[in-house]
Amino acid sequence: EVQLVQSGAEVKKPGESLKISCKGSGYRFTSYWIGWVRQMPGKGLEWMGIIYPGDSDIRYSPSFQGQVTISADKSTSTAYLQWSSLKASDTAKYYCARRVGVAGYYYFDYWGQGTLVTVSS
Amino acid sequence: QSVLTQPPSASGTPGQRVTISCSGGRSNIGTSIVNWYQQFPGTAPKLLIYNNNQRPSGVPDRFSGSKSGTSASLAISGLQSEDEADYYCATWDDNLNGLFGTGTKVTVL
Repeated sequence: EVQLVQSGAEVKKPGESLKISCKGSGYRFTSYWIGWVRQMPGKGLEWMGIIYPGDSDIRYSPSFQGQVTISADKSTSTAYLQWSSLKASDTAKYYCARRVGVAGYYYFDYWGQGTLVTVSS
Repeated sequence: QSVLTQPPSASGTPGQRVTISCSGGRSNIGTSIVNWYQQFPGTAPKLLIYNNNQRPSGVPDRFSGSKSGTSASLAISGLQSEDEADYYCATWDDNLNGLFGTGTKVTVL
């Protein structure tokens, strides 16, 4: 059974760093792209970026380029999303999702349960 | 701000047909496929329709998708109370960046 299990909720102060995780199981982790999606409180879904764990090829949304860092560890089948200096506006729920498909016919078939990040002084 | 526009809300009584539109442009919907996701409060989105009109296993056939030009639609036939949720369209732009629609809240009256 394919599963993406994300790390637990975090409460941080502005300026602090954070790294959240998404552990894949039940499939070959290195063969599928993993994407990250932000959902701010009461708002819609926003595509942040995507990583191919097989070779760590990464694509960032222009809106998030430079704001976050996406990475992956093949040895533990885990993808990461990190911030070096959090802002209050980073308060949101973050989802990871597995991308499948070929030649542009892509979609996210499995999603993690989400990680709620709260940034407050 | 999303470049894929959806109506904020849609509603219907049980058994009715509800349609949700998703309007994009030539550089996204016009040249890519459209997927739809269903999200209940406090839970992760779930794939509802992929590749414009395909249903994953387990999705009832009362959900259907279509695409024409730079727009797409999701139809729910025979609306049921358990269909009350948020629905998002999604596609890819020319650079293969993902795009989500603004989201539509479906209410069953």
